Amino acid sequence: RKEVEQDPGPFNVPEGATVAFNCTYSNSASQSFFWYRQDCRKEPKLLMSVYSSGNEDGRFTAQLNRASQYISLLIRDSKLSDSATYLCVVNNGGATNKLIFGTGTLLAVQP
Amino acid sequence: EPEVTQTPSHQVTQMGQEVILRCVPISNHLYFYWYRQILGQKVEFLVSFYNNEISEKSEIFDDQFSVERPDGSNFTLKIRSTKLEDSAMYFCASSERWAEKLFFGSGTQLSVL
Repeated sequence: RKEVEQDPGPFNVPEGATVAFNCTYSNSASQSFFWYRQDCRKEPKLLMSVYSSGNEDGRFTAQLNRASQYISLLIRDSKLSDSATYLCVVNNGGATNKLIFGTGTLLAVQP
Repeated sequence: EPEVTQTPSHQVTQMGQEVILRCVPISNHLYFYWYRQILGQKVEFLVSFYNNEISEKSEIFDDQFSVERPDGSNFTLKIRSTKLEDSAMYFCASSERWAEKLFFGSGTQLSVL
């Protein structure tokens, strides 16, 4: 099983749509979870941290399910500017604490 | 807003040459990292650095790679003898706390010919 696994997409959605991405991670000792956004050939930028209780930031909602070891990101009312690759990032937990990146899910919001 | 800066933005080099990639992390951050991304692939961890020493490194970070914090602001990645497969975007990152909320620089695109 890959350390962090995401559906690569692409997800092609119309403006205004709601879209959800899932991510699974293999290390049950992982403690920190994030969603990053990466535009083409740019650096990853932190979108939001993911907390056990779930958290929301405007149109974005992140959820964590520790029992099933998956994280989700929901984007409501998609904008053209949301088009990007969304990276699921998990710390490796245990004795090593590096951040592991998923391969990313490509979102294309269509006018 | 404070940011991580990297220079150069592009570096072209011949196979076998040494390159040094430079980074200035966010000033109050204590943890520094190098990641790389080969075109079309995922972001891969190379090395983390804290208190003037390597905290952790990946299997990619072999003897050809080294990192240094030569002064209070710069953080460098050196590749001693570049290979074709070293061609990638190299990202520097820093964080206030260990492996939490990394802030990335805009990257150095390294092309080895």
